[in-house]
Amino acid sequence: DAKTTQPPSMDCAEGRAANLPCNHSTISGNEYVYWYRQIHSQGPQYIIHGLKNNETNEMASLIITEDRKSSTLILPHATLRDTAVYYCIVNAFGNEKLTFGTGTRLTIIP
Amino acid sequence: DTGVSQNPRHKITKRGQNVTFRCDPISEHNRLYWYRQTLGQGPEFLTYFQNEAQLEKSRLLSDRFSAERPKGSFSTLEIQRTEQGDSAMYLCASSDAVNTEAFFGQGTRLTVV
Repeated sequence: DAKTTQPPSMDCAEGRAANLPCNHSTISGNEYVYWYRQIHSQGPQYIIHGLKNNETNEMASLIITEDRKSSTLILPHATLRDTAVYYCIVNAFGNEKLTFGTGTRLTIIP
Repeated sequence: DTGVSQNPRHKITKRGQNVTFRCDPISEHNRLYWYRQTLGQGPEFLTYFQNEAQLEKSRLLSDRFSAERPKGSFSTLEIQRTEQGDSAMYLCASSDAVNTEAFFGQGTRLTVV
């Protein structure tokens, strides 16, 4: 699977949009971009995934660049409960295992 | 359904002892995964089951580790002759298809003293 690069930490003010970047410059055509988050002392939680098109669900939006070499996860109105480590994962179709990096520690500031 | 359940939540054991963890996946999920997470790192894949068949094992899964899913429902992960380096959070996840979201349990935190 392609390697991902994320900033180790970010802060965001409560109520503002949190934009978390991820670089995956070696991504292949059959690899999806997944985002998970892990709140302290809990297991990871799925957020969203996409292949080429931008995706939106009730939790977040995923913006993938046209060349697919980077993506941004957007939490539109961050709350204190969004404080967590966010993992960007690139995973090939049919690959059962997720390869987590060290993620971005997002802190929402009141 | 309350999601993926793992027991125990915490386990402290002496070096050299055997330990066993249990994972109850979401009932209709045929895929079950075990991961290990050490402090400051992301989870690392250990092994994967589709129904009762163990289809993939990581090199991290040494001979002291064994996982089973006897009836394609719950799974157990056993570590024999524990070492201090086995101290970690052991996470279980399940899903109903490939490349869909995986649902994780809260993990079992193992401390080997």
